[in-house]
Amino acid sequence: QVQLQESGPGLVKPSETLSLTCSVSDDSVSSGAYYWSWIRQPPGKGLEWIGDIYFTGNTKYNPSLKTRVTISVDTSKDQFTLRLKSVTAADTAVYYCAGLLPGAVAFDPWGRGILVTVSS
Amino acid sequence: QSALTQVASVSGSPGQSITISCTGTSSDVGTYNLVSWYQQYPGKAPKLMIYEDSKRPSGISYRFSGSKSGNTASLTISGLQAEDEADYYCCSYVHPNSYVFGSGTKVTVL
Repeated sequence: QVQLQESGPGLVKPSETLSLTCSVSDDSVSSGAYYWSWIRQPPGKGLEWIGDIYFTGNTKYNPSLKTRVTISVDTSKDQFTLRLKSVTAADTAVYYCAGLLPGAVAFDPWGRGILVTVSS
Repeated sequence: QSALTQVASVSGSPGQSITISCTGTSSDVGTYNLVSWYQQYPGKAPKLMIYEDSKRPSGISYRFSGSKSGNTASLTISGLQAEDEADYYCCSYVHPNSYVFGSGTKVTVL
């Protein structure tokens, strides 16, 4: 079973860029088995899909975040990365990376999540 | 896109059956057989319970079942157990090329 692990800073200043990496193990990010996704959850609130990327580089983004989000993939390192620019306190959340099965809305597996706080 | 609508909380006694609803629109739940359900314990990552409206992944108990009618999908938990106490989220494909989660339902086992 593929395993995912998020990494990155836990504190980001307002107006700066949030950058997180998800490392894929026990599979290759180039396998084609998944769309590699980012999902977030503000404290005490629900889940929000941010976007995803296929190993080919094709991306899909949440329309509400599209202008601020970039997801990229590094096949040599079996990693994919989320960048969210111009952050505000509203971007404070636990950020999860997950694998999305092609053809199905099935996010599985998930990383453990990383809390990112936006504060000065 | 707005979150799919879920009732905030549902409760039941051990052994009972409960049903969690997830209401969307004809642009998402009502058109595509692509609703999934997730179980989330506090401080933990969500876990896939149902996909493609009614399919169970390997290892998920038969007590969990999914269905859909029109723009509303449902998750039924039969033979409710203490370990089922968690938050549950639905998710649907939205045309074109995005996904939306439900607002979440807290299940309490009395």
